Amino acid sequence: GAVVSQHPSWVICKSGTSVKIECRSLDFQATTMFWYRQFPKQSLMLMATSNEGSKATYEQGVEKDKFLINHASLTLSTLTVTSAHPEDSSFYICSARDAPGDTQYFGPGTRLTVL
Amino acid sequence: AQKVTQAQTEISVVEKEDVTLDCVYETRDTTYYLFWYKQPPSGELVFLIRRNSFDEQNEISGRYSWNFQKSTSSFNFTITASQVVDSAVYFCALSEATRDDKIIFGKGTRLHILP
Repeated sequence: GAVVSQHPSWVICKSGTSVKIECRSLDFQATTMFWYRQFPKQSLMLMATSNEGSKATYEQGVEKDKFLINHASLTLSTLTVTSAHPEDSSFYICSARDAPGDTQYFGPGTRLTVL
Repeated sequence: AQKVTQAQTEISVVEKEDVTLDCVYETRDTTYYLFWYKQPPSGELVFLIRRNSFDEQNEISGRYSWNFQKSTSSFNFTITASQVVDSAVYFCALSEATRDDKIIFGKGTRLHILP
């Protein structure tokens, strides 16, 4: 099946710094990518939807200036956590699909720890 | 409103027992998809099944089976002859065509298979 990769798989950073997470579709074109966040022992919560070449659409309660999403190509989307704080520590997972109705494929996730 | 309810937070069974994970969903759409995912301790989501709203046929895949009943808005998942490797968190999820295929996850059921 289709493969989605994320990089890095884990990252530790100091409070106040910015962290970029990449999500790549390896063998298909990802017209749309989704970003989720999962706090320990909780469910996945959708943060935003990004369509290639367009601005991302954020879910209610998600700060777009803090979580910058770029989807400049059909195989790559990036999530930048700006001025990270300990409460941003979480597991971030992306998913990707080509056309509406297509199966979404999930990446392996990135574990972010902010000290 | 779009909603997925997994009433069972945590279940423990002894190996070789059968176990059923419940999932109840709410949607106003007539076209939607239902999913089950497995999340082992590594964190990576493992796709198990996707079922569209027009296909109510039950499905069996090895020790796994799914019972989809639109009349009760349920999509239950049964593991037959459970094994220790089945221990994980299982998420039921829903996406609607009118919401750009955004996947909404239930809170998950943590399954412990005891040797």
